[in-house]
Amino acid sequence: GEDVEQSLFLSVREGDSSVINCTYTDSSSTYLYWYKQEPGAGLQLLTYIFSNMDMKQDQRLTVLLNKKDKHLSLRIADTQTGDSAIYFCAETLSGGYQKVTFGTGTKLQVIP
Amino acid sequence: DVKVTQSSRYLVKRTGEKVFLECVQDMDHENMFWYRQDPGLGLRLIYFSYDVKMKEKGDIPEGYSVSREKKERFSLILESASTNQTSMYLCASSFPSQETQYFGPGTRLLVL
Repeated sequence: GEDVEQSLFLSVREGDSSVINCTYTDSSSTYLYWYKQEPGAGLQLLTYIFSNMDMKQDQRLTVLLNKKDKHLSLRIADTQTGDSAIYFCAETLSGGYQKVTFGTGTKLQVIP
Repeated sequence: DVKVTQSSRYLVKRTGEKVFLECVQDMDHENMFWYRQDPGLGLRLIYFSYDVKMKEKGDIPEGYSVSREKKERFSLILESASTNQTSMYLCASSFPSQETQYFGPGTRLLVL
């Protein structure tokens, strides 16, 4: 079955780069996502990558996908205090309904 | 802008009470979802619906039921609340072929 794993916590200094990692088990994933959840709020889609891509860049965000190792990462350049949040990795599988499997979430703490 | 609203941000109920959580979306989305979010477990899918009056069990449907009488509204029902249902409940919606789900702000439910 599907399983998406992330480390639970990451602490970085303001201005440094953050790298949040995720591993997944199902090789038939079609889309892989990064969602951000700020305190007291729902999830907001940050970015996504289609499984036939290996990299996607969007301003300060860089997503890297290693399909062979089933590893996804999110790099945030010049991390700001406003980036403090929980980041969820997620995947959808090909075929059937649009079921999304979420990781456990990584809490990013940015130290001023 | 897509808007997904949930009827309550915080709710306190007693064991054995019947609890209704309401979710409304304004984007004419066919798909609607209910998740619960618990620390260290990420988001787990309770139920989803891909059309009016249609529902499908997710990964953890036990103790819950749902109702979708109108396209814009998806209700989660706890027939007899128990303390292990204390959690954050998140509603989401999407178009069938869309790669992203839009989330509401969440309802934090405490069952005493």
